[in-house]
Amino acid sequence: RKEVEQDPGPFNVPEGATVAFNCTYSNSASQSFFWYRQDCRKEPKLLMSVYSSGNEDGRFTAQLNRASQYISLLIRDSKLSDSATYLCVVNRKDSSYKLIFGSGTRLLVRP
Amino acid sequence: DAMVIQNPRYQVTQFGKPVTLSCSQTLNHNVMYWYQQKSSQAPKLLFHYYDKDFNNEADTPDNFQSRRPNTSFCFLDIRSPGLGDAAMYLCATTRGQGVGETQYFGPGTRLLVL
Repeated sequence: RKEVEQDPGPFNVPEGATVAFNCTYSNSASQSFFWYRQDCRKEPKLLMSVYSSGNEDGRFTAQLNRASQYISLLIRDSKLSDSATYLCVVNRKDSSYKLIFGSGTRLLVRP
Repeated sequence: DAMVIQNPRYQVTQFGKPVTLSCSQTLNHNVMYWYQQKSSQAPKLLFHYYDKDFNNEADTPDNFQSRRPNTSFCFLDIRSPGLGDAAMYLCATTRGQGVGETQYFGPGTRLLVL
């Protein structure tokens, strides 16, 4: 079983739609959580960190449920430019240098 | 204003012919990482340096080596590339090794093995 699991998708949605991605992690020592965005053939870029209280950045909202070991990302009013792969990433306290990446969820936003 | 630079962006090599990928950073960060990412897969950490201290992941093949001659530069050497080594190789940096530190990625080098 992978330490970070994501639905690979693709999620194919029209512009303006709201879409949600989920991610589960298996190691309870996980301490920090992130969503990265990766465009085709490009490097991953940090989209947002995820906090227990939930956090919002414009159209993007991230939630963390430590009890269920579950992270989510909600994108409202999808734009064509949101088309990318979204990587769920965790950081463990016992190996704080290391980011554990999920395989990503692919999002396609159509006109 | 590139902060993590990787050269070349695309590299073609022959089966078994040694190849070196380069990474440099202008951030003066202490930690540099090398990842391998294959299509539709998660980036996989190969090794990292904290200053001059080299840390190899347990499952990184011996075929992969690294050098860090100074703070700014780090190299990935693949001694005898096989077809299965074709991938995107990503370099990243962090200032330290604290939990939650942001990793800054370079644009990657895409390696093709013929």
